[in-house]
Amino acid sequence: EDQVTQSPEALRLQEGESSSLNCSYTVSGLRGLFWYRQDPGKGPEFLFTLYSAGEEKEKERLKATLTKKESFLHITAPKPEDSATYLCAVHFGGTYKYIFGTGTRLKVLA
Amino acid sequence: DTGVSQNPRHKITKRGQNVTFRCDPISEHNRLYWYRQTLGQGPEFLTYFQNEAQLEKSRLLSDRFSAERPKGSFSTLEIQRTEQGDSAMYLCASSPRGSGRARGTDTQYFGPGTRLTVL
Repeated sequence: EDQVTQSPEALRLQEGESSSLNCSYTVSGLRGLFWYRQDPGKGPEFLFTLYSAGEEKEKERLKATLTKKESFLHITAPKPEDSATYLCAVHFGGTYKYIFGTGTRLKVLA
Repeated sequence: DTGVSQNPRHKITKRGQNVTFRCDPISEHNRLYWYRQTLGQGPEFLTYFQNEAQLEKSRLLSDRFSAERPKGSFSTLEIQRTEQGDSAMYLCASSPRGSGRARGTDTQYFGPGTRLTVL
């Protein structure tokens, strides 16, 4: 069964304490892996698209990487405003359906 | 470009009533998706439109649910005979023509969602 698993479920960091979020997937024919940020009561906000193993994307304090089985979202020197739920989603061949993980709830303390 | 808009933002209804939600995608985005999200979960795919054609529906979309995109612009999602289990956030996303086409995938941009509460 095609699955997307995110870990940890929740993460508390001190401001400036770098860490990584994990998204592992068991799909065949990956077309793309997506990272989104979601604030409470709002729709997901697009961050990155990764297409193939070895690819990396960066934006401010965030860096996303992709292997054949998982993706990491690295957060360097986070700030309180980075507090949010981070979602990953995968799209695989043969369908228009995208599968989302359950997210990692990140809290950055000042 | 004002982004994806959804209306209403909140809807409270009694069990058994019908509700309809509207999604206006980013202009010139020909691809449109509907998702449902419950508390603590990621969005679950419901259906996909390319222009006015509905090309895929999830098994989650029971016969009480119907979606349309009559002119390939805005879309509506209707739930008939609502049940308490339908309480959720309903999200709409759109994607531009050709985005990621070479890779066979789309980058989706989400609206703010419609929060449905069924009493």
